[in-house]
Amino acid sequence: EVQLVDSGGGLVQPGRSLRLSCAASGFTFADYAMHWVRQAPGKGLEWVSGISWKSDNIAYADSVKGRFTISRDNAKKSLFLQMNSLRPEDTALYYCAKDIRPSVGSDNWFDSWGQGTLVTVSS
Amino acid sequence: SYELTQPLSVTVSPGQTATITCSGDKLGDNYASWYQQKPGQSPVLVIYQDSQRPSGIPERFSGSNSGNTATLTISGTQAMDEADYYCQTWDSRAYVFGTGTKLTVL
Repeated sequence: EVQLVDSGGGLVQPGRSLRLSCAASGFTFADYAMHWVRQAPGKGLEWVSGISWKSDNIAYADSVKGRFTISRDNAKKSLFLQMNSLRPEDTALYYCAKDIRPSVGSDNWFDSWGQGTLVTVSS
Repeated sequence: SYELTQPLSVTVSPGQTATITCSGDKLGDNYASWYQQKPGQSPVLVIYQDSQRPSGIPERFSGSNSGNTATLTISGTQAMDEADYYCQTWDSRAYVFGTGTKLTVL
C-alpha cells in the first residue's frame, strides 16, 4: 500500500524559512515524479512544485518561484520542500503527492496523497 | 496564467445524476483529471485521462472532456458522494487545479 507521510510544518514568522519532508513507502519511490500541493484554510488546491524521478526536470508555480526549492533523496525515499522568504499568503496545508509517471509533464495526474502538514506564517 | 472555472456549488437529490463542469481555454487539448475531497481528508483521484476510473472508484463516476469543458458525472448519486470536487490539467509547465465545486446531496 502506498503511504506518504508529510512533516515539518509549523508556525513561522514572515521572511523566515521552513523545510518540509515527505517519507514514502509501499512503492518504488525512484520510479515516479513527486509534487507538493497546498491548500490555504477554506480554499482550493494549488499546485506548488514537481520534480522528476532523476531530479532533472523541475517545475514551480509562479507564486513560489525563486523562494521555494524542491528536492528528493531516492535512497531515503524522501521528498523535500525548502521554503524561504515565507509570506502570510503561504499559510496552507501542504500535501505531498505521487505522480503516475517518472517525469513532470502534460499527461500526468496524482494518484496518491499524503495527509498534509500545516504551515502558518504569522508574526 | 491559465484558469479552470467550476461552479461554486451543485446540489443533487439522492439517486439522481450530478454534473460538475470545468471550463478552461482549449481544455480539451489536454487531459483532465478529477479529485474528490471530503472534509478533513486528503484528495482522492476519481477520474484520470478525461474518462478513466482508478481501481476502487465506483462505476457511477464518469468523465468527458471536449472543447473548452471537462465534465464529471455521478450517476445515482449517494450521500457518501457529498464532497468538494476539483478538476486538474497541465498548462505550459505548470499544473492547474479548478476552483472547486461543493457537491451537496440533499
